[in-house]
Amino acid sequence: EIVLTQSPGTLSLSPGERATLSCRASQSVSSSYLAWYQQKPGQAPRLLIYGASSRATGIPDRFSGSGSGTDFTLTISRLEPEDFAVYYCQQYGSSPKTFGQGTKLEIK
Amino acid sequence: EVQLVESGGGLVQPGGSLRLSCAASGFTVSTNYMSWVRQAPGKGLEWVSIIYSGGSTYYADSVKGRFTISRDNSKNTLYLQMNSLRAEDTAVYYCARAYDSSGYYDYYFDYWGQGTLVTVSS
Repeated sequence: EIVLTQSPGTLSLSPGERATLSCRASQSVSSSYLAWYQQKPGQAPRLLIYGASSRATGIPDRFSGSGSGTDFTLTISRLEPEDFAVYYCQQYGSSPKTFGQGTKLEIK
Repeated sequence: EVQLVESGGGLVQPGGSLRLSCAASGFTVSTNYMSWVRQAPGKGLEWVSIIYSGGSTYYADSVKGRFTISRDNSKNTLYLQMNSLRAEDTAVYYCARAYDSSGYYDYYFDYWGQGTLVTVSS
């Protein structure tokens, strides 16, 4: 089973700043099959990024994903008030499909 | 518009059973992969089970032998039968459509329901 470790656990930033979230895998993620989700309190997760760098339908271009192998990054170029949430990465190149433990992005 | 609506959650005693339902609209359950993902209170996401379009089913080790995923094509609905429930099964259960990006069972979750809470406690 691939273990995903997200860092930092909590990130405190202000609107307008740039956010960089990390997801590290215990072994290589095949074909960059890495997705990112956003979850707000009381809501279901929402798909942001798939294939490490492809934005899902309707996702603003301030969200971008990068990386390969074992190291992946989600970048939010300029934080909007609605971006403060918990973010999860998920690998889907091997079974079982696993999630990271999440990074909480909070307002500073 | 794609919608997934879960129901059937509630309070159940340890050792008890519960059946969750997920009514889908805007797409056909039987021609897609469908999955259950759960989230314990204050914790992260955990994949639970999947049913492929061909009908094959798979489970996380933590629920294997206790949970059964199924679907009713005529009702366009997904189910999760949960037996021998334990305190550690307490979670919000989400149904999600799993999109296979490669044709080789490499799937991520593109649509999610709002979740239903299952509490296992005496």
